[in-house]
Amino acid sequence: GAVVSQHPSWVICKSGTSVKIECRSLDFQATTMFWYRQFPKQSLMLMATSNEGSKATYEQGVEKDKFLINHASLTLSTLTVTSAHPEDSSFYICSARDLRFGESSGNTIYFGEGSWLTVV
Amino acid sequence: SQQGEEDPQALSIQEGENATMNCSYKTSINNLQWYRQNSGRGLVHLILIRSNEREKHSGRLRVTLDTSKKSSSLLITASRAADTASYFCATDSLQAGTALIFGKGTTLSVSS
Repeated sequence: GAVVSQHPSWVICKSGTSVKIECRSLDFQATTMFWYRQFPKQSLMLMATSNEGSKATYEQGVEKDKFLINHASLTLSTLTVTSAHPEDSSFYICSARDLRFGESSGNTIYFGEGSWLTVV
Repeated sequence: SQQGEEDPQALSIQEGENATMNCSYKTSINNLQWYRQNSGRGLVHLILIRSNEREKHSGRLRVTLDTSKKSSSLLITASRAADTASYFCATDSLQAGTALIFGKGTTLSVSS
């Protein structure tokens, strides 16, 4: 089953409004979560690294005041798209790293199911 | 940020044929992973190959890794229509605070 859950799966909002997307780690605690954006027919672009209890680290070109990230607990990070515009319409996907079993366990990153945002 | 190129960008084949996709990356890695994504859906993890491995198999998938050339290939044998999807490589430095970095992807279309 899914170990990282994202909600909502899809959302439609009006221009100028804000929308919040949640990312939860279900089976483990995640001090770090990652947010990606994917435009149609393109790859996943890392937007920011969400750090529990501290400020997020944003990739170059990503507006931190527009994409607010809050990581208030070890199992939840939220991405809020503020004053959304049609060009913000995209697929947003989060991931979290499970460090319980150490690096030798292999894959330690799990992805949420993604959230489709349409701004009208 | 993105690691690099994948080629081809698009690949169309017939059922039963093999499909080969290549991925190049720029930085040092601990492992490289391949993902599949059906149109409009989330990611499906296919296979992980560590930096000290050169080849790995999983069912109809064969992955190679050449760290000297910073490149990897994914081979899907005996392709099926259900293999139609986009395929991405992603590199992991395995540092606790770092994310997977994705390549640009290959769109595979398998016709029956």
